[in-house]
Amino acid sequence: GENVEQHPSTLSVQEGDSAVIKCTYSDSASNYFPWYKQELGKGPQLIIDIRSNVGEKKDQRIAVTLNKTAKHFSLHITETQPEDSAVYFCAASDGYGNKLVFGAGTILRVKS
Amino acid sequence: ETGVTQTPRHLVMGMTNKKSLKCEQHLGHNAMYWYKQSAKKPLELMFVYNFKEQTENNSVPSRFSPECPNSSHLFLHLHTLQPEDSALYLCASSQGRELDEQYFGPGTRLTVT
Repeated sequence: GENVEQHPSTLSVQEGDSAVIKCTYSDSASNYFPWYKQELGKGPQLIIDIRSNVGEKKDQRIAVTLNKTAKHFSLHITETQPEDSAVYFCAASDGYGNKLVFGAGTILRVKS
Repeated sequence: ETGVTQTPRHLVMGMTNKKSLKCEQHLGHNAMYWYKQSAKKPLELMFVYNFKEQTENNSVPSRFSPECPNSSHLFLHLHTLQPEDSALYLCASSQGRELDEQYFGPGTRLTVT
């Protein structure tokens, strides 16, 4: 079955710097890759997603890149702000497109 | 607010108790999910309902019993739980046509004593 690895587990950056979180997956048939942000006391919220027919997608300060050959995808946050501090999860669809398999999460701390 | 509500938000129960978690979505979605979130572990999918039919049971112990009476409501019935079942239980919903954005509720923090 699908396996998703996420790194780093914690990341501290200075306000204004960029943050990069990386994930790898195992099932070459996976075709949907969302990223979720979870703030304290809340459920995960989708912030950006990418499908396998696209290599890069950007939404203001957030971008995701996908390398299907290497089976990895990354989240890039530029000009980080304190409110970006949260836990970020990557996920990949299983090969059948029935469910999502999540990474273990990255705790992002933005220091002001 | 994501349009997905969960009650209760916190629950403490003994190993011999029976309790139920409730999830309701106001988004007109057709698929609903239960996930278990434990510290420092990935979200674990437990159950999936699509158009009220259970389409996924991810090898979940029988002490967890889901119920989906209609496409807007999802329950998780709990009985004779173990301390290792303590976790945050998250409900989510999606359109259900294909794998797409899942909207999560705030979760129920369950502690089994």
